[in-house]
Amino acid sequence: DIQMTQSPSTLSASVGDRVTISCRASQRIDIWLAWYQQKPGRAPKLLIYKASNLEIGVPSRFSGSGSGTEFTLTISSLQPDDFSTYFCQQYTSYPWTFGQGTKVEIK
Amino acid sequence: EVQLVESGGGLVQPGGSLRLSCAASGFTLTTYWMSWVRQAPGKGLEWVANINKDGSEEYYVDAVKGRFAISRDNAKKSVYLEMNSLRAEDTALYYCARRGFVSSLDYWGPGTLVTVSS
Repeated sequence: DIQMTQSPSTLSASVGDRVTISCRASQRIDIWLAWYQQKPGRAPKLLIYKASNLEIGVPSRFSGSGSGTEFTLTISSLQPDDFSTYFCQQYTSYPWTFGQGTKVEIK
Repeated sequence: EVQLVESGGGLVQPGGSLRLSCAASGFTLTTYWMSWVRQAPGKGLEWVANINKDGSEEYYVDAVKGRFAISRDNAKKSVYLEMNSLRAEDTALYYCARRGFVSSLDYWGPGTLVTVSS
C-alpha cells in the first residue's frame, strides 16, 4: 500500500499568513493527488485534484503543487473560514490512501 | 444540485450486519464511479470501496475484503454497502462519495454513523 505522510500534524497561524502543508507519498504517484478540507461535523470538501488543479468554486488563495512523491498545499493568505483540517489522498492505485491530516489552528 | 444522502447506520452488535444506502440526485449516476469512505470518531479518513459505472468492478481496502460488499442500482439512483461480520473497529461515520472523471472524490454525503458494540 502507498503510505501518505503529511506534515505538520498541527499548524498554528494567523489571519493573513501564508500557510504551507506538505504531503509525501511512499511511492511515486505521478500527479494523482487530491487535497480536501474538513470542518468539524462536516463531510470533506475537495479543494485540489491532480496535484494542482483547483476545484470549481474553491477560492484562488488555495493552490497545490508537486509530482512524484512530494506535494504541497499552499494557502496564500489565511482567512477565518480556512481554520480546518486538511487531508491529502492518492488515487493512483488501490487501496486509495489518505494522509493523517493537518489541523490549521488560530494562533 | 448534486446531492448524496446516506442512511442505514445504527448500533449493531459485533458479528452483526448492516446495509447502508446512498441516494443520489442532481446528476446522472450511470456516468460515475462511486465510493464509500469512513472516518472513525476523532480519526482520519479511510477509503473503503469503489464501484464502477455499471457495477461490474469492485475494489476494497483489505480490512473489509470478504466482509463488505458495494453494489449499485442505477435505476433506483442508489449505491449500497452491505456490511457483515462487523467488528468494533468498523465503528465510524460512513460517507458516500462520487468519483469525478479525473478529480477523485468531488461530492460527499453528510455520512451515516455505524456503531459496533455489545
